[in-house]
Amino acid sequence: QVQLQESGPGLVKPSETLSLTCAVSGFSINSGYYWGWIRQPPGKGLEWIGNIYRSGSTYYNPSLESRVSISLDTSKNHFSLTLNSVTAADTAVYYCARHLMDHYYHRTSFDYWGQGSLVTVSS
Amino acid sequence: QSALTQPASMSGSPGQSITISCSGTSSDVGSYNLVSWYQQHPGKAPKLLIYEDTKRPSGVSNRFSGSKSGSTASLTISGLQAEDEAAYYCCSYAGTTTFVIFGGGTKVTVV
Repeated sequence: QVQLQESGPGLVKPSETLSLTCAVSGFSINSGYYWGWIRQPPGKGLEWIGNIYRSGSTYYNPSLESRVSISLDTSKNHFSLTLNSVTAADTAVYYCARHLMDHYYHRTSFDYWGQGSLVTVSS
Repeated sequence: QSALTQPASMSGSPGQSITISCSGTSSDVGSYNLVSWYQQHPGKAPKLLIYEDTKRPSGVSNRFSGSKSGSTASLTISGLQAEDEAAYYCCSYAGTTTFVIFGGGTKVTVV
């Protein structure tokens, strides 16, 4: 059974950097699939942040690309998100997920999700 | 790029069927881009219901079905049950610049 678990600080100060890690169990991130991050501001909808493949190649939401970075550590079977220069608008529940994305077949779906990690940006 | 367009809310009685629409453009839902659907109960992570427009993952009830016509995808819930009360989101592949786009979400109430 594939399981994902987010971890990281629940409170970040404005202008600082948000960092989260997603630990994956039951599946090797080296075996394929993209590994992605999605966020959800309180009371609002889902927003895709970006993803990373086992090769290290990344894709980012153009609206966040200048501030976001996703990396992976195959030895620990986890991947991480950093978001720079945060503001109150970055307050959200951050989810990690296994992401099937295929440019050839034009498909995208997230089949396994973490439980989510609430990050509040406040001084 | 703006979110895909979904009705903000819908309601139905137990046993009825409802269909949630997800409208986009030729850059996302239209063309050959495939859509997935998610169910989210309050305080929980989203759950994949439909992928590649019409396919159901193992374990998902056959009361959920997906379809698409032109630039509008649809999720139909048949035989509505109290446990179906949740938010539903569509998601589409959106090309090699935007990549992924979600709908704004539809809150379904079982009355």
